[in-house]
Amino acid sequence: DVKVTQSSRYLVKRTGEKVFLECVQDMDHENMFWYRQDPGLGLRLIYFSYDVKMKEKGDIPEGYSVSREKKERFSLILESASTNQTSMYLCASSLQGLWTEAFFGQGTRLTVV
Amino acid sequence: AQSVAQPEDQVNVAEGNPLTVKCTYSVSGNPYLFWYVQYPNRGLQFLLKYITGDNLVKGSYGFEAEFNKSQTSFHLKKPSALVSDSALYFCAVRVSNTGGFKTIFGAGTRLFVKA
Repeated sequence: DVKVTQSSRYLVKRTGEKVFLECVQDMDHENMFWYRQDPGLGLRLIYFSYDVKMKEKGDIPEGYSVSREKKERFSLILESASTNQTSMYLCASSLQGLWTEAFFGQGTRLTVV
Repeated sequence: AQSVAQPEDQVNVAEGNPLTVKCTYSVSGNPYLFWYVQYPNRGLQFLLKYITGDNLVKGSYGFEAEFNKSQTSFHLKKPSALVSDSALYFCAVRVSNTGGFKTIFGAGTRLFVKA
């Protein structure tokens, strides 16, 4: 069974902390994505990566960075967490191609206090 | 601007009745259309997709969707709803752009199926 695993289900962090969200996929997918999900706004793309060490900004990259040192792992970094980054974060992966569906992790609910 | 609209925040249906969750899109070029479902405190799961060919697409859990090019719609349907279908449903469209591609998600529609 294919799997995308996010390292934490729930996180509580303090304002100003550096936060790491980890994501691992076991499907040998080229593409990996980080989204945030907020009520009424659907999913918004933060960053994506189509290959190792490659990254592209999504729609809302401000305040975030990413790292992809290995094909199976894609990390999202909040350089200095703020309360407006409280959200559900979803990692996903897919094969190359416009027609390929994405596989999602279970999500990390981050609360910044 | 390219967009996906799910005009209903919530859909209520009785168990055993047919259900429809609506989706319309506005994109340039040929769209690749997807439906995903999200159960509480979980990530999204793929249900079905339209690439080309037959306008009626069948997917997981008895769901199907009808692609209508003239109305730019891709409505999700099921002939007989189950209580277990209660969840949040997302329509998405993937389009090519400079640098590769982009997936645009709708805001989601919450489906309640009442026993």
